[in-house]
Amino acid sequence: NAGVTQTPKFRVLKTGQSMTLLCAQDMNHEYMYWYRQDPGMGLRLIHYSVGEGTTAKGEVPDGYNVSRLKKQNFLLGLESAAPSQTSVYFCASSYSINSVTPSYEQYFGPGTRLTVT
Amino acid sequence: KNEVEQSPQNLTAQEGEFITINCSYSVGISALHWLQQHPGGGIVSLFMLSSGKKKHGRLIATINIQEKHSSLHITASHPRDSAVYICAVTKGAQKLVFGQGTRLTINP
Repeated sequence: NAGVTQTPKFRVLKTGQSMTLLCAQDMNHEYMYWYRQDPGMGLRLIHYSVGEGTTAKGEVPDGYNVSRLKKQNFLLGLESAAPSQTSVYFCASSYSINSVTPSYEQYFGPGTRLTVT
Repeated sequence: KNEVEQSPQNLTAQEGEFITINCSYSVGISALHWLQQHPGGGIVSLFMLSSGKKKHGRLIATINIQEKHSSLHITASHPRDSAVYICAVTKGAQKLVFGQGTRLTINP
């Protein structure tokens, strides 16, 4: 199993450009998450999904959109990139213990380093 | 004030030393996690615990629920232990709240 993979690994954007980050997991996990990691700050939750077709806002959702059309994929979109979105982005997933309870353990992808100039 | 505080922020030690990294939190939690992040690398889960103590090889994690405090210990430290160690707590059903991380450097 590949676990959690992220595409691309690196990207440089100009202000105002758009892009989509792809997260894929092959573990049949129900829950998926997008985080950003900035120097001097802990990881912060951008958006998350509790199942196919559902998404919810996290701590820092502004400027981002997400979609979960397939259970194995969670896409993070930047419609109009800004320098403040320069960061390392991590995707994670977790499985369900039962129909309503997620496992507390999350599995992380390798990260995407995004620079917006 | 951050909900999860780690100390120290940076730690440099010599190979073989006993290492302790501390984590304090101010909210009710379902679980506490210790994660490891190598330079340029991804994030790996080391421990998830809700009470007591867990041990894996040279790593030991403890938690005191009453004091809202956890420690990560590394015995017989080695340069390959050099990494950022992150404490995180699960609030509610599935959301993680992260500490800022502790950068550990072990010199040969």
